Amino acid sequence: AQTVTQSQPEMSVQEAETVTLSCTYDTSESDYYLFWYKQPPSRQMILVIRQEAYKQQNATENRFSVNFQKAAKSFSLKISDSQLGDAAMYFCAYRGGGSNYKLTFGKGTLLTVNP
Amino acid sequence: DAGVIQSPRHEVTEMGQEVTLRCKPISGHNSLFWYRQTMMRGLELLIYFNNNVPIDDSGMPEDRFSAKMPNASFSTLKIQPSEPRDSAVYFCASSLGTGPEKLFFGSGTQLSVL
Repeated sequence: AQTVTQSQPEMSVQEAETVTLSCTYDTSESDYYLFWYKQPPSRQMILVIRQEAYKQQNATENRFSVNFQKAAKSFSLKISDSQLGDAAMYFCAYRGGGSNYKLTFGKGTLLTVNP
Repeated sequence: DAGVIQSPRHEVTEMGQEVTLRCKPISGHNSLFWYRQTMMRGLELLIYFNNNVPIDDSGMPEDRFSAKMPNASFSTLKIQPSEPRDSAVYFCASSLGTGPEKLFFGSGTQLSVL
C-alpha cells in the first residue's frame, strides 16, 4: 500500500521569507500523481500544486514550487515570499495513475507565518 | 458554480442518535467521495461513487455507517447509532472523471458526538 510521510508536524516562517515543507512517499507504481493541498482555518481543502510522476520538470504555481525527486520518492513544497495568508495546514497527497481514484494523504504540516 | 456544498457545517449530537450528513456535488461532476479527517488518522477515504453507483466502500468503518447517492446532485452519509469515536470532520469531494482532474472539496461537517 502507498504511504505518504510528512516529517514536520509544524513549521514557521517570517513573512516574505522562503520555507520548504517535506514529503516522502512509498510506492511500487511508476505512474502516479502527487499533490499539495492547503487547509486554512476555514477547513476548505484547496489544491495548491500538482505533479505528474512522468514529468521531469518541477511544477510551479506562482510563489509555490515543488522539488520532485522520483528516485528518492521525495516531493517537497517551497513557498517563496511567504504571506500571512499562507498560514494553514499543508497536506501532501498521492494518487496512482490510470483509473485510480484514491488519494492517500500525509498527516499534514502546520505552517505559521510570523509578521 | 457554488462549489461542493455540505450541510450542516457543524453537528452536535448525543451518543446513540442518528446523524445524517449531506452533500451536493458540483453540477456535471460524476465522481463523489466522502472523506473523514481526525487528528489520529488524518484524512481517510470512506466511500467513492461513480455515476451515482458506490464503487468502493472499503473505507467505511463499520455497519453503523451508510452512504447513498440517489441522484447526481445529492449524497448522504448516515451514522446510526453514533458513537463518540465518530467525532471528526467529514468532507465530501467531487470531480469529473477518475483521473487526475482537480478534486473539489466541500467545507466539511464538524461532527461532535457527546
